[in-house]
Amino acid sequence: DQQVKQNSPSLSVQEGRISILNCDYTNSMFDYFLWYKKYPAEGPTFLISISSIKDKNEDGRFTVFLNKSAKHLSLHIVPSQPGDSAVYFCAASARDSGTYKYIFGTGTRLKVLA
Amino acid sequence: NAGVTQTPKFRILKIGQSMTLQCTQDMNHNYMYWYRQDPGMGLKLIYYSVGAGITDKGEVPNGYNVSRSTTEDFPLRLELAAPSQTSVYFCASSSWGGNTEAFFGQGTRLTVV
Repeated sequence: DQQVKQNSPSLSVQEGRISILNCDYTNSMFDYFLWYKKYPAEGPTFLISISSIKDKNEDGRFTVFLNKSAKHLSLHIVPSQPGDSAVYFCAASARDSGTYKYIFGTGTRLKVLA
Repeated sequence: NAGVTQTPKFRILKIGQSMTLQCTQDMNHNYMYWYRQDPGMGLKLIYYSVGAGITDKGEVPNGYNVSRSTTEDFPLRLELAAPSQTSVYFCASSSWGGNTEAFFGQGTRLTVV
């Protein structure tokens, strides 16, 4: 059972335009959401996060939106740059039996075209 | 500032062999995790630890073992390697596992033939 879903395996966007990456989740107990970026042959690196008590968090060109009623979050990158080309993973965490674990989606490969 | 360090970066194992993937972190984090990533798939949690001496199973623990004798180290042991364990393995750590991010190592690419 995939608790965190990224239904778009890939996305291509022109440089300077907006990139929107989507993520859906099924577990209403998730209370913290994260986006990670991964380049080939490297480990994932943290990008931005949002707590379930907020609906928006912004950091420079990156904004994450959370819609709790729809169990949906999205990552907006504006403006997109060629260096943003990578695989983006959505992750969620919840307290489970007294501990926290991160559950990851399958990733979306973003290609920003120059 | 090393962060999370994994060794080796690459390894080829024969079916039935055993090996240990090493992971160490220098951030004094309590929580540590092992994930595997198969092609086209997300990261699946194998084992995790909330502190020295405490480990627990994740989503896909079969065929693996872990130990956490110190805060810094969290080795992953593969006994009797099988082709299904061909994957990229990532170790990660976080300060307390709640509303905070996890930091990842560079990964170990393992092929079982």
